[in-house]
Amino acid sequence: DAKTTQPTSMDCAEGRAANLPCNHSTISGNEYVYWYRQIHSQGPQYIIHGLKNNETNEMASLIITEDRKSSTLILPHATLRDTAVYYCIVRVARRGKLIFGQGTELSVKP
Amino acid sequence: EPEVTQTPSHQVTQMGQEVILRCVPISNHLYFYWYRQILGQKVEFLVSFYNNEISEKSEIFDDQFSVERPDGSNFTLKIRSTKLEDSAMYFCASSEASGGAARRETQYFGPGTRLLVL
Repeated sequence: DAKTTQPTSMDCAEGRAANLPCNHSTISGNEYVYWYRQIHSQGPQYIIHGLKNNETNEMASLIITEDRKSSTLILPHATLRDTAVYYCIVRVARRGKLIFGQGTELSVKP
Repeated sequence: EPEVTQTPSHQVTQMGQEVILRCVPISNHLYFYWYRQILGQKVEFLVSFYNNEISEKSEIFDDQFSVERPDGSNFTLKIRSTKLEDSAMYFCASSEASGGAARRETQYFGPGTRLLVL
């Protein structure tokens, strides 16, 4: 599975959009980009995933660049409860395990 | 919304004792996983399980570990003789499938069991 690079930490003001970048320059054609988050040692929570196209669900939007070498997770209106570690994971379909990196620690401040 | 549940939430044990961590995956899911997270470290894959067999295991998952699906709903992780370094959060996850649509491969995690070995 391709390696990902994320900033160690980011701050965001409450009510603003949080844009979390992820670099996955070695991604191959059959690898998906998954985003999870972990709030203070709770179980990782699935957010969204995508292959090539941009995706949106009730939690977030995922923007994948045309060359697929990077992506951005967007939380449109961050709240204090969005403070968490956000993990960008690249995974081949049919490959069971998830490989977690260190993620980005997002702090949403009032 | 269906959830993965885990019991107990906390477990304290003495070194050398056996522990069993329990998980109830989402009901229509067929693939089950255990991960662990030592305090301050990354979430690490331990084992995946499908059709009553281990599909994949990591180097961490040595002979001291075993998994079982004793009935139609539970999925357990047993540590035969706990060591101090087994102290960690243990997360169970499940997915509907492992192949086909990526949506069905999405893994959903339980809240974890915090294991402390003294």
